[in-house]
Amino acid sequence: KAGVTQTPRYLIKTRGQQVTLSCSPISGHRSVSWYQQTPGQGLQFLFEYFSETQRNKGNFPGRFSGRQFSNSRSEMNVSTLELGDSALYLCASSPLEIQGRRVAGELFFGEGSRLTVL
Amino acid sequence: QQPVQSPQAVILREGEDAVINCSSSKALYSVHWYRQKHGEAPVFLMILLKGGEQKGHEKISASFNEKKQQSSLYLTASQLSYSGTYFCGTFGGNQFYFGTGTSLTVIP
Repeated sequence: KAGVTQTPRYLIKTRGQQVTLSCSPISGHRSVSWYQQTPGQGLQFLFEYFSETQRNKGNFPGRFSGRQFSNSRSEMNVSTLELGDSALYLCASSPLEIQGRRVAGELFFGEGSRLTVL
Repeated sequence: QQPVQSPQAVILREGEDAVINCSSSKALYSVHWYRQKHGEAPVFLMILLKGGEQKGHEKISASFNEKKQQSSLYLTASQLSYSGTYFCGTFGGNQFYFGTGTSLTVIP
């Protein structure tokens, strides 16, 4: 079974630009969640999509958005990039939705997209 | 609401044991544990869903004390391959929170 695939792996942008990152989950997984990882803040939850619907959202500004397609592939977009957006963006897929207060499904992570904002 | 892990960093010699703790100020309903090696994606180790539950994964095991809002990860007879950053994670409200992370280095 192929793992979670994220593209691009590395990218460099300048302040004010926008960026779109892509994530292809493991076949059969309908939940895709996104995380931002930085040395200072650690791993921070961005949002989760399940069956094309955003189910949960972390404490990030509206510049961070995402969507999920019918084949479960997901994209996240960051508009008006700021220097502080430089980070490793990880996506994870799961066979189960993050629901209620009990997370029953393990998360399978992709290698991440490393974004540098200059 | 981010869980706090302790210690922040630990260095072990091969064969030594270690304990990593994960504490939450909010109620814990389930706990995930992941390991991330440098430059790689986090890899799932185990989930504990019930208070009092203990699980094992090779020489790595974990416990979950729901009342104390704590979980501990036990690494016994550590191997070089155990090096990496360990994260606990839990769901709270509408978010999934990862802990602050513990860097573990095993040296020969």
